[in-house]
Amino acid sequence: GAVVSQHPSRVICKSGTSVKIECRSLDFQATTMFWYRQFPKQSLMLMATSNEGSKATYEQGVEKDKFLINHASLTLSTLTVTSAHPEDSSFYICSAIGTVNTNYGYTFGSGTRLTVV
Amino acid sequence: LAKTTQPISMDSYEGQEVNITCSHNNIATNDYITWYQQFPSQGPRFIIQGYKTKVTNEVASLFIPADRKSSTLSLPRVSLSDTAVYYCLVGGLIKAAGNKLTFGGGTRVLVKP
Repeated sequence: GAVVSQHPSRVICKSGTSVKIECRSLDFQATTMFWYRQFPKQSLMLMATSNEGSKATYEQGVEKDKFLINHASLTLSTLTVTSAHPEDSSFYICSAIGTVNTNYGYTFGSGTRLTVV
Repeated sequence: LAKTTQPISMDSYEGQEVNITCSHNNIATNDYITWYQQFPSQGPRFIIQGYKTKVTNEVASLFIPADRKSSTLSLPRVSLSDTAVYYCLVGGLIKAAGNKLTFGGGTRVLVKP
């Protein structure tokens, strides 16, 4: 149980375009979802926290107008990287926690490798 | 959130026991200790969580001394597939919605044949 699906797993986009990444909780309702970014050989950096039906809370230094987060339902959160640039190339990971007492803690998606060319 | 300090990397051999110690000197009374495993290009996977003394599951053991200022993740008889980065996190009860996870640097474990 407690599966989080993230899509796409890889995406390549042109500089200046926008990319949407989806994060779905498949077998539980995710009241809170988190978005992380991870550069090569580095740890995960929390970008923002989103609660269903409310605006996301962004970490210091993360541009909310560039990284749009929508958590419209209890099973889906999306991260849109707007006007992407090569420096946005990174590994983006979502995680979710919900009302189900899974004993598994936070569940992470498999990540999305974004390459901006 | 309590800051954690782990060794950057560790090498081991198949069949050996691997012990990774994490320091968290300013851990709060309500903080739990949680370990995650991450393979390249994958999201982290929950390994184990504990508050004090010893916790064991089918994958690992977690040893926490009485002062809780450190913890040790023990991986018994590692195999090549245990090569990964292991993260120690300290914070509120993981099941409580809303507690955000802040990752430290992690320990890169390399298991050799």
